Amino acid sequence: GAVVSQHPSRVICKSGTSVKIECRSLDFQATTMFWYRQFPKKSLMLMATSNEGSKATYEQGVEKDKFLINHASLTLSTLTVTSAHPEDSSFYICSAPSGGGTGELFFGEGSRLTVL
Amino acid sequence: GENVEQHPSTLSVQEGDSAVIKCTYSDSASNYFPWYKQELGKRPQLIIDIRSNVGEKKDQRIAVTLNKTAKHFSLHITETQPEDSAVYFCAACPGTASKLTFGTGTRLQVTL
Repeated sequence: GAVVSQHPSRVICKSGTSVKIECRSLDFQATTMFWYRQFPKKSLMLMATSNEGSKATYEQGVEKDKFLINHASLTLSTLTVTSAHPEDSSFYICSAPSGGGTGELFFGEGSRLTVL
Repeated sequence: GENVEQHPSTLSVQEGDSAVIKCTYSDSASNYFPWYKQELGKRPQLIIDIRSNVGEKKDQRIAVTLNKTAKHFSLHITETQPEDSAVYFCAACPGTASKLTFGTGTRLQVTL
């Protein structure tokens, strides 16, 4: 099946710094990618929909100025957590649709962010 | 928007027994219902899915049933094995947008 690669898998940063997470579709093009956040022992919550060549669509309650999303090409979407704080510590996972309107998603490996 | 509820939150079964996880959804426009298995610190893995034009689907020890009228769907795992232990998530998706709404998850533990 299609492969979505996410990097880095783990990142530890100091409070107040910014962290960038990359999500790449390796063998297919993705005009849309989804960013999810998962707190320990909780479900995946959709943060935003990344759209190639246009602005991302954010879910209610997600601060667009804090979670910057850029989808500059058909194979790369990035999520930047700006001015990170300990409460931003979480597991961030990107996903891309398989295409063809099937609804199936391919997930990246996830990035565990720890803010000290 | 869509709301997906999932029960139970934890489930412990003995090896060889069956496990059933149930989900309900709210948006009648949803027509795609995948189930994911997630091991600790890993990405969700699709294990089976069903579309609204089908009432039941089976893949070896795993089966999913869908009742569109009642807006609920269930995952059935037979002959459970220790390696089935993980967190399972149901999800629902309206149309072709692939915008999944996940259930709250069920932690399945298969004991020897």
